[in-house]
Amino acid sequence: NAGVTQTPKFQVLKTGQSMTLQCAQDMNHNSMYWYRQDPGMGLRLIYYSASEGTTDKGEVPNGYNVSRLNKREFSLRLESAAPSQTSVYFCASLRAGELFFGEGSRLTVL
Amino acid sequence: GNSVTQMEGPVTLSEEAFLTINCTYTATGYPSLFWYVQYPGEGLQLLLKATKADDKGSNKGFEATYRKETTSFHLEKGSVQVSDSAVYFCALSTNFGNEKLTFGTGTRLTIIP
Repeated sequence: NAGVTQTPKFQVLKTGQSMTLQCAQDMNHNSMYWYRQDPGMGLRLIYYSASEGTTDKGEVPNGYNVSRLNKREFSLRLESAAPSQTSVYFCASLRAGELFFGEGSRLTVL
Repeated sequence: GNSVTQMEGPVTLSEEAFLTINCTYTATGYPSLFWYVQYPGEGLQLLLKATKADDKGSNKGFEATYRKETTSFHLEKGSVQVSDSAVYFCALSTNFGNEKLTFGTGTRLTIIP
């Protein structure tokens, strides 16, 4: 019953550091997504992947890169973290119109 | 482009009160509409959905009716419980099969015993 698993759950970075958020799903879904959640902003789509080997920009892609390593895994990388990237990040996968979310990764950039 | 506007919170109600959280949308074409719920410390999960006009989605005592004439999808529940305390997000999609959902800003609901 793992569903969508994200790591790490919490991370503190200094400005300019890099890091990768990992996401894996065990439901054999084709489409995967990365969202960020900020107070008063709802969820905003960063990147998505409709299938293994494909990725596309969402609403707020600047400062991020993604890799769809295989059907299970979809990682999000911050090459040079900025305070504006302090947020809660959610990975999700899609089946039949329903998004399945991970528990979130809280990132703080000092 | 697509957008979702939902009732600003926070909303605080007493147990067994009637709940309405308003949601209106702007979209090209014929969107599918969703309500997602986020319990404290968790990711979002689908609460209910409706894929065409006049459809009613329902789950766990919550209901919402897809009203094309008013471009609305208001969430209702007749008698709320403390366990309903959560953040509720209205969302829409116009790309069925490869959805890029557009979310509202969320409404925080707190139920007082």
